[in-house]
Amino acid sequence: DAMVIQNPRYQVTQFGKPVTLSCSQTLNHNVMYWYQQKSSQAPKLLFHYYDKDFNNEADTPDNFQSRRPNTSFCFLDIRSPGLGDAAMYLCATGEGYETQYFGPGTRLLVL
Amino acid sequence: DAKTTQPPSMDCAEGRAANLPCNHSTISGNEYVYWYRQIHSQGPQYIIHGLKNNETNEMASLIITEDRKSSTLILPHATLRDTAVYYCIVWTTDSWGKLQFGAGTQVVVTP
Repeated sequence: DAMVIQNPRYQVTQFGKPVTLSCSQTLNHNVMYWYQQKSSQAPKLLFHYYDKDFNNEADTPDNFQSRRPNTSFCFLDIRSPGLGDAAMYLCATGEGYETQYFGPGTRLLVL
Repeated sequence: DAKTTQPPSMDCAEGRAANLPCNHSTISGNEYVYWYRQIHSQGPQYIIHGLKNNETNEMASLIITEDRKSSTLILPHATLRDTAVYYCIVWTTDSWGKLQFGAGTQVVVTP
């Protein structure tokens, strides 16, 4: 049974064209995270929501934004994707700051 | 920066135990040792975590030294599906602590 769901699994967008990635969870966890993972690198945290409180990492570019309309869903918006934003985007959830559970990821290709 | 040191790669024969070492000499008293793995093109998968005592679950065993400066993840009977990058991470759940992934160990299980 899928617990952290990411759609789509693969996303192709054009340079500069806004794109939204989605994440949903059936775990009812109060914390949701977004990570970026570039090829052959470790995942890097972009930001997280603790309930409705948004927490941005200091080095996350302004081009990346997020929305969490309810407990189950969280979105990653890339306002103007550049070629350097091509990566795997990982969503994770956790109960408080306990163990994080990851989704399968969305691989973003920027043309 | 990651607080752990792992070998970059190791091979293991199918059916044999895989012993993955991790050094975390600067670990604090309230920091847990977490292990995740990432199979190619998938999201990281939680394996196990521990504070002081050895832990075992259906996936693996975690052995933590008495001084907590190092640990070993044991996959008792490695299968080809265990081929993945294994990440050892030290993390506190007392307050916001970033789940920082290092380079990990690429484990290849061979027939």
